Amino acid sequence: AQSVAQPEDQVNVAEGNPLTVKCTYSVSGNPYLFWYVQYPNRGLQFLLKYITGDNLVKGSYGFEAEFNKSQTSFHLKKPSALVSDSALYFCAVRDMGQAGTALIFGKGTTLSVSS
Amino acid sequence: DTEVTQTPKHLVMGMTNKKSLKCEQHMGHRAMYWYKQKAKKPPELMFVYSYEKLSINESVPSRFSPECPNSSLLNLHLHALQPEDSALYLCASSPERDWTEQYFGPGTRLTVT
Repeated sequence: AQSVAQPEDQVNVAEGNPLTVKCTYSVSGNPYLFWYVQYPNRGLQFLLKYITGDNLVKGSYGFEAEFNKSQTSFHLKKPSALVSDSALYFCAVRDMGQAGTALIFGKGTTLSVSS
Repeated sequence: DTEVTQTPKHLVMGMTNKKSLKCEQHMGHRAMYWYKQKAKKPPELMFVYSYEKLSINESVPSRFSPECPNSSLLNLHLHALQPEDSALYLCASSPERDWTEQYFGPGTRLTVT
């Protein structure tokens, strides 16, 4: 079965500093990996995805993620954090089962950016 | 139109009530999903519809009844819910053939009293 793990419940960073939110994956076959962000009392917003190609994926709001096959990781990064980046971040993997396709989410990491 | 809409935004219901949640998309997507999300937890898949047919039911209690009247609309009918069913209910859609990401609606915040 496909799965992703987010080892940190919370990441704290000062505004202007680089940020990293970690994600590791366990899949059979080629992974389809995603990052979503959720602001309080809102739905999930798509940030970026890795399907194939370049290991460095650029997404919305200045975020990027690096796919590392040898370390089975897909960490989310941003060179300079903003207070408005404070939110709940989910890593996810596409799971193609016999009955259909769905997203499997990690437990989530709360990012807190201080001014 | 790249939006998934959900109504109502908030719903408070008693344990004996019957209510429905509505989800709509006009992106031509042929797969639609219901997720349940508790506070600060990841979304949990409930149902998947593909071409208006139920393809995945993740062992959800029968007090939740999904319906897909057409390719743009997804309903979740609620009856005899329990207080522990209080959560954010998220709808999502994706293209069936070229499935690269899911688009989520803003959710319905459900409180069962």
